[in-house]
Amino acid sequence: GAVVSQHPSRVICKSGTSVKIECRSLDFQATTMFWYRQFPKQSLMLMATSNEGSKATYEQGVEKDKFLINHASLTLSTLTVTSAHPEDSSFYICSAQAGVAGHEQFFGPGTRLTVL
Amino acid sequence: GDSVTQMEGPVTLSEEAFLTINCTYTATGYPSLFWYVQYPGEGLQLLLKATKADDKGSNKGFEATYRKETTSFHLEKGSVQVSDSAVYFCALTAPSWVFGQGTRLTINP
Repeated sequence: GAVVSQHPSRVICKSGTSVKIECRSLDFQATTMFWYRQFPKQSLMLMATSNEGSKATYEQGVEKDKFLINHASLTLSTLTVTSAHPEDSSFYICSAQAGVAGHEQFFGPGTRLTVL
Repeated sequence: GDSVTQMEGPVTLSEEAFLTINCTYTATGYPSLFWYVQYPGEGLQLLLKATKADDKGSNKGFEATYRKETTSFHLEKGSVQVSDSAVYFCALTAPSWVFGQGTRLTINP
């Protein structure tokens, strides 16, 4: 089946630094990639949707200057958390979708970010 | 807008019990419906899906039927196992994606 990888799986950083998380579709071309943030009580919050070669569409309330998303190719999207603060600590999950709308999303394993 | 409402958890059952996790939706179009499962410390995995009314999705003993008349997609399993302990998400796409809030399931031996 389709595989999506994320790197790193865990990252600990100091407050004020930037962290980049990579999301790759390993065996298919992803026309659309999604970035989610998952809070401790399991709820999944969609942060942004990105299509290859175009700017990401951010959900309301998500700061685009803080969470930079780059979808440089059909197999790679990156999320950069700039000037991270402790409140940015969370589980970040990406997913990828191939083909037309309505096709299932394939999820990465997630990245646990801890900001000290 | 479109929405998905899931049964609130957590749900705790004994092994071999019957499971139902309710999911209802509202959508202006004709959505495809999904159940995803998230095991501890992992990302979400597709469990099953249905793309049109009356379709039944099934996988690993789980089933859900797309009921347009009741706008529901309830997840069922006849006999749960400890390994089924996870968080379950109901979702739709029409074509924008909407996820339910998740239901945590714990199965005790």
